[in-house]
Amino acid sequence: GENVEQHPSTLSVQEGDSAVIKCTYSDSASNYFPWYKQELGKGPQLIIDIRSNVGEKKDQRIAVTLNKTAKHFSLHITETQPEDSAVYFCAASRVGYSTLTFGKGTMLLVSP
Amino acid sequence: GAVVSQHPSRVICKSGTSVKIECRSLDFQATTMFWYRQFPKQSLMLMATSNEGSKATYEQGVEKDKFLINHASLTLSTLTVTSAHPEDSSFYICSARPGDRNSYEQYFGPGTRLTVT
Repeated sequence: GENVEQHPSTLSVQEGDSAVIKCTYSDSASNYFPWYKQELGKGPQLIIDIRSNVGEKKDQRIAVTLNKTAKHFSLHITETQPEDSAVYFCAASRVGYSTLTFGKGTMLLVSP
Repeated sequence: GAVVSQHPSRVICKSGTSVKIECRSLDFQATTMFWYRQFPKQSLMLMATSNEGSKATYEQGVEKDKFLINHASLTLSTLTVTSAHPEDSSFYICSARPGDRNSYEQYFGPGTRLTVT
């Protein structure tokens, strides 16, 4: 089955800095890679996703890059703000198989 | 759009009783819904996948007789924890996938905190 590794487990940055979270996956058939943000006591919120037919996707301060050859994808947050503080999960899925395999999460702390 | 609700948000019950958690997709139809369990500071653990009108598919190690799942309509799935025990205390989260076969996205509910005393 699919295995998703996520690093780092915790990340502390100063407000205004950039943050990068990296994930690797094992199943070369995976073709959908979403990122979720989870605030304390709440459910995960889909913030951005990418499919394997593109290498990069951007939405304002958030971007995701995908390297299919190396089987890794990354979340980039620029100009971080304290409200970006949360746990971020990456996940992977493949065509015809609707379940997601999640990474273990990254706790991002943005200090003012 | 793509809003998923859960009810209740918190529940406390006594050991041996049953608890029902509802998951609703508010602005889309979901042929597939998922139930997850999350322990503190851990990732989401998939418990089961439910498709509207058919029996749920449970992940290995999840007791189907203990965690009853019903997906009776395209907007509602329920999880019933039967004969709850303290070790069932956890954060239960549902997600829903829009009915379009080309859709990949899953949208999550806000979660239900279950405490069994």
